[in-house]
Amino acid sequence: GAGVSQSPSNKVTEKGKDVELRCDPISGHTALYWYRQSLGQGLEFLIYFQGNSAPDKSGLPSDRFSAERTGGSVSTLTIQRTQQEDSAVYLCASSLDRSLLFFGSGTQLSVL
Amino acid sequence: AQSVSQHNHHVILSEAASLELGCNYSYGGTVNLFWYVQYPGQHLQLLLKYFSGDPLVKGIKGFEAEFIKSKFSFNLRKPSVQWSDTAEYFCAVRESNTGKLIFGQGTTLQVKP
Repeated sequence: GAGVSQSPSNKVTEKGKDVELRCDPISGHTALYWYRQSLGQGLEFLIYFQGNSAPDKSGLPSDRFSAERTGGSVSTLTIQRTQQEDSAVYLCASSLDRSLLFFGSGTQLSVL
Repeated sequence: AQSVSQHNHHVILSEAASLELGCNYSYGGTVNLFWYVQYPGQHLQLLLKYFSGDPLVKGIKGFEAEFIKSKFSFNLRKPSVQWSDTAEYFCAVRESNTGKLIFGQGTTLQVKP
């Protein structure tokens, strides 16, 4: 596709359940980033992938959060045992050469 | 670690008023700086960027920003705002080795018609 695609666009889950969020980057973009956007918290960096490896995981808030990337393309962010404070918009961005990031529309996660 | 500070959290202006949103960053080396905009219900879009050269950068929709190295600032300006400029604005600095962006807290701009 022409842009970064994220799915689902909305996810409602119950506290304690696991969720998986998907990101399809722009074709050919080797760098991929996950961010979280919460009310009053701005945009927080979560993790950065270069190819399939993640040299910077410094933003993952706890060990309930993990992410993987396969084939240098699609990435999945997994949140285990979701908590209400995980409710946020999760944004994915990709970049060809790490100079300019292109963002997807995000997944709105609501934990009840 | 690099950080970005946006001084104004919520700005309310009337149409045709001039806009200046403050942004300061904390990094003494070579910086790449960005302003992104998020219109209601839409995804983040790049307004403008500074990598090097002329410190006065012009972006889309009549926005500009000035990089002042001595003040560690990259303020966003527009001479005359429109109702359609109502949005949230984010300043960001790029970390050179990973390319990740460090964002400020954002400024919500509300333009009254």
